[in-house]
Amino acid sequence: DQQVKQNSPSLSVQEGRISILNCDYTNSMFDYFLWYKKYPAEGPTFLISISSIKDKNEDGRFTVFLNKSAKHLSLHIVPSQPGDSAVYFCAARDSNYQLIWGAGTKLIIKP
Amino acid sequence: GAGVSQSPSNKVTEKGKDVELRCDPISGHTALYWYRQRLGQGLEFLIYFQGNSAPDKSGLPSDRFSAERTGESVSTLTIQRTQQEDSAVYLCASSLTDRTYSNQPQHFGDGTRLSIL
Repeated sequence: DQQVKQNSPSLSVQEGRISILNCDYTNSMFDYFLWYKKYPAEGPTFLISISSIKDKNEDGRFTVFLNKSAKHLSLHIVPSQPGDSAVYFCAARDSNYQLIWGAGTKLIIKP
Repeated sequence: GAGVSQSPSNKVTEKGKDVELRCDPISGHTALYWYRQRLGQGLEFLIYFQGNSAPDKSGLPSDRFSAERTGESVSTLTIQRTQQEDSAVYLCASSLTDRTYSNQPQHFGDGTRLSIL
């Protein structure tokens, strides 16, 4: 059973518009959530994170929202740029401090 | 460069052979992780090393998998008697402190793409 789900395998967004990437989880004991970005043939790179005690964290063009009651996490990128085209992974930290990863969403920014 | 380095970048081998994958973490990083990523899936935790503490091996899928780390330096992941289902990208990551510190993200290498024929 997947504890962290990214239900959209891919997403296409026009350059300059907002990209919204979604992530759902099942374990209410997750205490920390992260987003990583991955380019082809490279390892994931850390993007932004949020503690379970918060509902929003912002860093430049990137904002992560956490809705604990819905067990839902989203990443907003605005404005979207061509360099944002990549696979985005959502990850959650469990009570053993292990990261549980979603399958990723491929974001394509159209010029 | 100062990033996590993995070798080889690609490895093709026949079923039944043993393979050894190498990871050089960022200097000074005490924590080291191995993950496996199968096609179209998320990262799957394999093993975690922290300093001289006993490693967390809870993610290793079978006794064919083992890993070593000398102090806070290089780590090797060994897969014995490889099977076709072992085909995946194997990723190594390191972080400055142990994983209980949430403000220390993991830094990843580019992975080793392993193909078992």
